[in-house]
Amino acid sequence: QVQVVESGGGVVQPGGSLRVSCAASGLTFSSYGMHWVRQAPGKGLEWVAFISNDGSNKYYADSVKGRFTISRDNSKNTLYLQMNSLRAEDTAVYYCAKVQSGTYDPFDYWGQGTLVTVSS
Amino acid sequence: IQLTQSPSFLSASVGDRVTITCRASQGISSYLAWYQQKPGKAPKLLIYAASTLQSGVPSRFSGSGSGTDFTLTISSLQPEDFATYYCQHLYSHPFGFGQGTKLEI
Repeated sequence: QVQVVESGGGVVQPGGSLRVSCAASGLTFSSYGMHWVRQAPGKGLEWVAFISNDGSNKYYADSVKGRFTISRDNSKNTLYLQMNSLRAEDTAVYYCAKVQSGTYDPFDYWGQGTLVTVSS
Repeated sequence: IQLTQSPSFLSASVGDRVTITCRASQGISSYLAWYQQKPGKAPKLLIYAASTLQSGVPSRFSGSGSGTDFTLTISSLQPEDFATYYCQHLYSHPFGFGQGTKLEI
């Protein structure tokens, strides 16, 4: 049974940093690309970042480029999102999601999300 | 690539047939997926490659289209189908979503 579980959310001041994690189980983690998707309170879904299975390719939304860094540790079956220079508009539930197979495939397993609140 | 869903809100009754449309700002072949999201829950993949039903999804859900115009159809609404639906393109990054369609009783 594939499971992905996010953690690390919390309250952070504007300009601060936070790292959220996503632990995967029930799959060969090193075989799949992974995404981060966020959802601001009461709003729609926004794609944030992608990392390929081996970490060699990374893509970012313009809204987070230069501030967020996606990474993974395949030995720990864990995905990360390092968020720096946080802004109020980064407040959202952050979901990690697994690709079905290749880079341009849909997201077939999602975690339950972790809430990041940027506020003074 | 921008995705525009219509309508944004839809009121319907159990047993109704409903259709949600998603229009892409440029051609995306069949690189389109549909997700269902219920309040407080993660999105769930329903359809991918525009018309392929994800394993375990009821056959009352169907998708069609290619290029720029796509539809999600629910043939006979069930109580558990009242949720918000999103389309997403997978043609190139950034992998954007439509703004969502909230399906209400």
